[in-house]
Amino acid sequence: SQTIHQWPATLVQPVGSPLSLECTVEGTSNPNLYWYRQAAGRGLQLLFYSVGIGQISSEVPQNLSASRPQDRQFILSSKKLLLSDSGFYLCAWSGSNQPQHFGDGTRLSIL
Amino acid sequence: QKEVEQNSGPLSVPEGAIASLNCTYSDRGSQSFFWYRQYSGKSPELIMFIYSNGDKEDGRFTAQLNKASQYVSLLIRDSQPSDSATYLCAVDNTNAGKSTFGDGTTLTVKP
Repeated sequence: SQTIHQWPATLVQPVGSPLSLECTVEGTSNPNLYWYRQAAGRGLQLLFYSVGIGQISSEVPQNLSASRPQDRQFILSSKKLLLSDSGFYLCAWSGSNQPQHFGDGTRLSIL
Repeated sequence: QKEVEQNSGPLSVPEGAIASLNCTYSDRGSQSFFWYRQYSGKSPELIMFIYSNGDKEDGRFTAQLNKASQYVSLLIRDSQPSDSATYLCAVDNTNAGKSTFGDGTTLTVKP
């Protein structure tokens, strides 16, 4: 069966520090991969999605970037975090034309 | 106009009642429709998906789709306090390669 791993579960970072969140999927090949952010009490904001290695689509211009160095690995990065980057970050995967399945999320607080 | 709209709620129903959650979408090319449940502080989990017009039942849950009216709904029969959560509607256009999520409806089931 397929599983998705996302870490860390919580993260506290100072303003201006770098960020790296990692997500890996097991049990499937060539998944579609997604990064979302959810502010408190709000809906999901799609940040990036990828349909294959090296293929990244950005939905929202910001100081975040994403990379997919391997088929089942998706990384969210930032060189300098802003206060507005705080939120609940979710990684998800799906097969072609299939529902998305989410990781447990990373709660990021910027101080 | 948002691409996927849901009543923000909160929706409150007594235990044992039927909860009705509604979702409208703007893209007539949408082909797949999903309902996710998100408990406070947790990641979304898929509870239902529907691709064809009509009703689809799974236990206490029924998804209803009307493509002509661009409307999808979720009915929860015999609501339980454990059903208290935010319910997210997601709509997928195959050509887009990604789902669009509504902002969610918060449901509270009172004992």
